[in-house]
Amino acid sequence: GAGVSQSPSNKVTEKGKDVELRCDPISGHTALYWYRQRLGQGLEFLIYFQGNSAPDKSGLPSDRFSAERTGESVSTLTIQRTQQEDSAVYLCASSLVAADFSPLHFGNGTRLTVT
Amino acid sequence: GNSVTQMEGPVTLSEEAFLTINCTYTATGYPSLFWYVQYPGEGLQLLLKATKADDKGSNKGFEATYRKETTSFHLEKGSVQVSDSAVYFCALIRAGGTSYGKLTFGQGTILTVHP
Repeated sequence: GAGVSQSPSNKVTEKGKDVELRCDPISGHTALYWYRQRLGQGLEFLIYFQGNSAPDKSGLPSDRFSAERTGESVSTLTIQRTQQEDSAVYLCASSLVAADFSPLHFGNGTRLTVT
Repeated sequence: GNSVTQMEGPVTLSEEAFLTINCTYTATGYPSLFWYVQYPGEGLQLLLKATKADDKGSNKGFEATYRKETTSFHLEKGSVQVSDSAVYFCALIRAGGTSYGKLTFGQGTILTVHP
């Protein structure tokens, strides 16, 4: 079946604009995660959704970042008033359940460039 | 807090050479350890994992042993192939609690294998 799908694959935006990044998880996966990868750095956890539970937002770097997920379907990561330091690859992952034994399946990411 | 340090790349090898990519970690408690791989044009995928001390994870000829005494999880392969060219990420997750999916990643090591 289809893997995790992210759109757009590339996004260039001007500083101060808002952007929305979309993630379609694998069907049936209850857990969904957003990560960020800045150039030359490892992946940085942003937010995690598990079913209908309250999301874990502990990794969001500022209140300009927010994410939503309706049920077990699509998630949207929104960055308001973008800054140049927001430039990164934003990765989405899903897993069947949130557990150590349930591997994460990653999408190809959205490369965001803030000019 | 948790952290993962990988050997700096890029690593360039000839086909059939021996590969080692070093990974050390800092974590409280007893984390689970992972290696993820990202092939060109594809999303990250789990390569192998180990969930307790002295466990050996293995897959596709790659191995890594969870060494608690040296806080290491070095990735090895006896004979690399051109198709192993990819970016390799070491990662950990804190055991238990609500840490599911909140992986801490290293910065990644680029491996290039020449024929």
